[in-house]
Amino acid sequence: GAVVSQHPSWVICKSGTSVKIECRSLDFQATTMFWYRQFPKQSLMLMATSNEGSKATYEQGVEKDKFLINHASLTLSTLTVTSAHPEDSSFYICSAINLRGAGTFSGANVLTFGAGSRLTVL
Amino acid sequence: AQKVTQAQTEISVVEKEDVTLDCVYETRDTTYYLFWYKQPPSGELVFLIRRNSFDEQNEISGRYSWNFQKSTSSFNFTITASQVVDSAVYFCALSRNGGSQGNLIFGKGTKLSVKP
Repeated sequence: GAVVSQHPSWVICKSGTSVKIECRSLDFQATTMFWYRQFPKQSLMLMATSNEGSKATYEQGVEKDKFLINHASLTLSTLTVTSAHPEDSSFYICSAINLRGAGTFSGANVLTFGAGSRLTVL
Repeated sequence: AQKVTQAQTEISVVEKEDVTLDCVYETRDTTYYLFWYKQPPSGELVFLIRRNSFDEQNEISGRYSWNFQKSTSSFNFTITASQVVDSAVYFCALSRNGGSQGNLIFGKGTKLSVKP
């Protein structure tokens, strides 16, 4: 089945530094990747939608200059938290899907989530 | 507005009990998808089921079953003979943008604790 790998799975950094999180689709081409954020004991909130080769679409209230998203290839999207602060500490989860095959129920056509990256900013 | 409501914040049962997790959704789309995910303490989201709006057949997979009722906008999830390994947070989700399957609205989740 479709597999999405996220790295790193956890990271601790100092306030003011930048952190990059990678999301890779291992066995399919992801035309679209989504980045979600989950605060402790809360639900997942969509941050942005990223299409390969184009700029990400951010949800209302998400700072695009703070959360840089790059989707340079069909198998990789990155989220960079710039100048991280303690309030950015959260669980970040990516998901990927191949929408070119929409209409057929193939493995890549089903949204697949990565295992998440837990960010702690000191 | 689109919305997913999971009214049960936490449920605690004893092993072998049956438990139903409720999910009520709101959408104006005629075509949409509904999902259930399991999130164990480790954090990863485990896909359980996807159902499109045109398929109201109930689904059974082992101890899991789902009851989709468009008339009441509900998509409830039942675990039969619960086990300790079922302990997790369960999320119900609704696709946004009509038939798009990737952009999801999640409910707040129901934390299920199954005690031995």
